[in-house]
Amino acid sequence: NAGVTQTPKFQVLKTGQSMTLQCAQDMNHNSMYWYRQDPGMGLRLIYYSASEGTTDKGEVPNGYNVSRLNKREFSLRLESAAPSQTSVYFCASSDHRGSTDTQYFGPGTRLTVL
Amino acid sequence: EDQVTQSPEALRLQEGESSSLNCSYTVSGLRGLFWYRQDPGKGPEFLFTLYSAGEEKEKERLKATLTKKESFLHITAPKPEDSATYLCAVQEEGANSKLTFGKGITLSVRP
Repeated sequence: NAGVTQTPKFQVLKTGQSMTLQCAQDMNHNSMYWYRQDPGMGLRLIYYSASEGTTDKGEVPNGYNVSRLNKREFSLRLESAAPSQTSVYFCASSDHRGSTDTQYFGPGTRLTVL
Repeated sequence: EDQVTQSPEALRLQEGESSSLNCSYTVSGLRGLFWYRQDPGKGPEFLFTLYSAGEEKEKERLKATLTKKESFLHITAPKPEDSATYLCAVQEEGANSKLTFGKGITLSVRP
């Protein structure tokens, strides 16, 4: 069981370039999430997918798009990267236990936009 | 106004020196409060979920408690390997499964 995997681990882009961050989970979870983590800001939700075929905006969606490709995979796309998108990006997935959903995180993608 | 506030921002302890980390929250209805541990360069690792005031959970040297306004993560006789950033997050009623995170507490334990 690999849990949540993310690719790539590191990426450097120039302003205006595009790229897609990949995320996959093998825990048969319904819900998946994309966060960014910046110093002094904590983890902030970009987009989430409650189930296959659905996506919704989180707290900071501007400049990003997502695709829930199937139950396992949830990708995050930067169409035209900006220096403000330099951050560490985490993908998570969750299962429903009792009355709450526990989220499990991937190892992260460290993105620098020059 | 932040919904989740963690304090202190950083804490330095001597090995064996017990202490507590605080997480205060302001939500209208709490579905669950979560504690995560994050090591440098890694993703957050799930520790505990607390559901209702008065609940306590333990794991090795860690014990998490919950009141109606805050949660504490008590660390008893910490070791250097407990050094990490500890994140608190809340899940509100009616918010699906979304979490709101605090900014984290960086704990350093000196040998």
